Amino acid sequence: NAGVMQNPRHLVRRRGQEARLRCSPMKGHSHVYWYRQLPEEGLKFMVYLQKENIIDESGMPKERFSAEFPKEGPSILRIQQVVRGDSAAYFCASSPPVSGSYEQYFGPGTRLTVT
Amino acid sequence: DQQVKQNSPSLSVQEGRISILNCDYTNSMFDYFLWYKKYPAEGPTFLISISSIKDKNEDGRFTVFLNKSAKHLSLHIVPSQPGDSAVYFCAASADNAGNNRKLIWGLGTSLAVNP
Repeated sequence: NAGVMQNPRHLVRRRGQEARLRCSPMKGHSHVYWYRQLPEEGLKFMVYLQKENIIDESGMPKERFSAEFPKEGPSILRIQQVVRGDSAAYFCASSPPVSGSYEQYFGPGTRLTVT
Repeated sequence: DQQVKQNSPSLSVQEGRISILNCDYTNSMFDYFLWYKKYPAEGPTFLISISSIKDKNEDGRFTVFLNKSAKHLSLHIVPSQPGDSAVYFCAASADNAGNNRKLIWGLGTSLAVNP
């Protein structure tokens, strides 16, 4: 059973470009969470999605950031017009739909560097 | 406002001895707590969890203790091994609408186990 997959592992973008980060959850998992870890900080929740639905995006910056989890295909975190402050590690986690099982399983992360 | 606090940024322990990592929280709505281990350039790896209805959970060398009245939990690793050297994160979740179990993270404790 493959784990959570994220790609790319490393992404370099110039200021003003768009960054697209992909996440494929574990098989059978329908809940996806995105977290961001800025340098020298802990992880911070960004957004929680179920298939085709954004459930909680309270941790997302109001502008330039968006996320989706389509019926088919991976979850996508999109950052438009990137700025240097967006440089961070972005982690995706998935969990199964069964209530009572609250563990989240993480991918290896995408390290975004904005130059 | 840091709802989950790990007040020790680092801890150094001799191989074979016990490692005790501590975590405090402020939000009384948290009802599930998790410990993750993280190596550099990798995603967090789930270690062990505990529900607020319990005060202890054990899995091999890892035991988590929860003191609800003090809003404190601890992770015990015994015996400690050099391979345990990593950053350990404490995380908590509450029962939010939509099966939303977003994790709130501490800043981590860097554990070094010396041979």
